[in-house]
Amino acid sequence: KNQVEQSPQSLIILEGKNCTLQCNYTVSPFSNLRWYKQDTGRGPVSLTIMTFSENTKSNGRYTATLDADTKQSSLHITASQLSDSASYICPLKTSYDKVIFGPGTSLSVIP
Amino acid sequence: DVKVTQSSRYLVKRTGEKVFLECVQDMDHENMFWYRQDPGLGLRLIYFSYDVKMKEKGDIPEGYSVSREKKERFSLILESASTNQTSMYLCASSSLHLYGYTFGSGTRLTVV
Repeated sequence: KNQVEQSPQSLIILEGKNCTLQCNYTVSPFSNLRWYKQDTGRGPVSLTIMTFSENTKSNGRYTATLDADTKQSSLHITASQLSDSASYICPLKTSYDKVIFGPGTSLSVIP
Repeated sequence: DVKVTQSSRYLVKRTGEKVFLECVQDMDHENMFWYRQDPGLGLRLIYFSYDVKMKEKGDIPEGYSVSREKKERFSLILESASTNQTSMYLCASSSLHLYGYTFGSGTRLTVV
């Protein structure tokens, strides 16, 4: 069983709409959990980072939340833009400094 | 602007060829990593290095080797390329405190 799972696998939304991506993990405790955005053909770029004790972090239209009780993190995108079309990945860094990557969610924003 | 540069965006190699993937970072980072990324599997760690001439196996090192002769350069070597090594290869670096990775743009390798 993967230690970091993401859902949905892919998502298509209309421009201007909001969406929420999910990351479920089994590792606990952990050092930090990030959300990365990866444009097609490019390397991932960090959006947010949260430590085990934080429960929300915002970066512009991106808001990440963390619920340590349910072992879930969400990335909420507000007023989506065409440029938000990308893969979104949530890697988790364990207390032993190992980084575990989720498989990613592919988001397509259409006009 | 800090950078991790991978020498090739696209490569096509034949089965059995020796393949070199080069990665250079200009941030004086101690740590460097090689990942491969496949659909549905996410990023999987092949090798990493915490210092010059130092290397550690990641989760899937079989069929790969690495070289780190200088701090800024981390090379991934496929001794004898096989078709199951067709993938997107991503290099990353981070500082000693592992606050986060900076990724290169990736090399899409196709082995035919």
